[in-house]
Amino acid sequence: QKEVEQDPGPLSVPEGAIVSLNCTYSNSAFQYFMWYRQYSRKGPELLMYTYSSGNKEDGRFTAQVDKSSKYISLFIRDSQPSDSATYLCAMSESDGNQFYFGTGTSLTVIP
Amino acid sequence: DAGITQSPRHKVTETGTPVTLRCHQTENHRYMYWYRQDPGHGLRLIHYSYGVKDTDKGEVSDGYSVSRSKTEDFLLTLESATSSQTSVYFCAISDSNGPGRQFFGPGTRLTVL
Repeated sequence: QKEVEQDPGPLSVPEGAIVSLNCTYSNSAFQYFMWYRQYSRKGPELLMYTYSSGNKEDGRFTAQVDKSSKYISLFIRDSQPSDSATYLCAMSESDGNQFYFGTGTSLTVIP
Repeated sequence: DAGITQSPRHKVTETGTPVTLRCHQTENHRYMYWYRQDPGHGLRLIHYSYGVKDTDKGEVSDGYSVSRSKTEDFLLTLESATSSQTSVYFCAISDSNGPGRQFFGPGTRLTVL
């Protein structure tokens, strides 16, 4: 069983929709949670970075962490065609030296 | 790409040949990482460095070695490339303020024939 599980999709939504992306994990020691966006043939780009449980909002993006359920989510409001990419979740334990990634969810936003 | 460059960006080589990939950063970050990305596996850590000459193994380190003689450079070497090492390789850096965020380079696409 992988440390981090992520539905690969693909996910296709109309422009303006609310998108929900999710990851589950098994290691209760994970404290730091991240979401990356990766465009085709590019390196991952950090979108959101959160510590422990709770919500964090940045513009159209909201990250949620539920440590009791070992479940994290990324919500994208008013989705745009430019949001079409693969979204990767990642997490690390307290020392932060090793990061564990999900396999990524492919998202397409249709104009 | 947060002051990170990787070279070469593309390489085709033959089985059994040595290959060295270079990661260069201008951010003076302490931590540097090498990942490989493959369909169905996502990003997997190969090796990482927490300072000059300080390195450690990651999840998939077999067949790879690394060196860091300067803060800004982190080299990944495939001593004898195999077809299973065909992949996209990403370098990442992290700031030294405790568990930090990672920033990724543009990647190197390696094909081993």
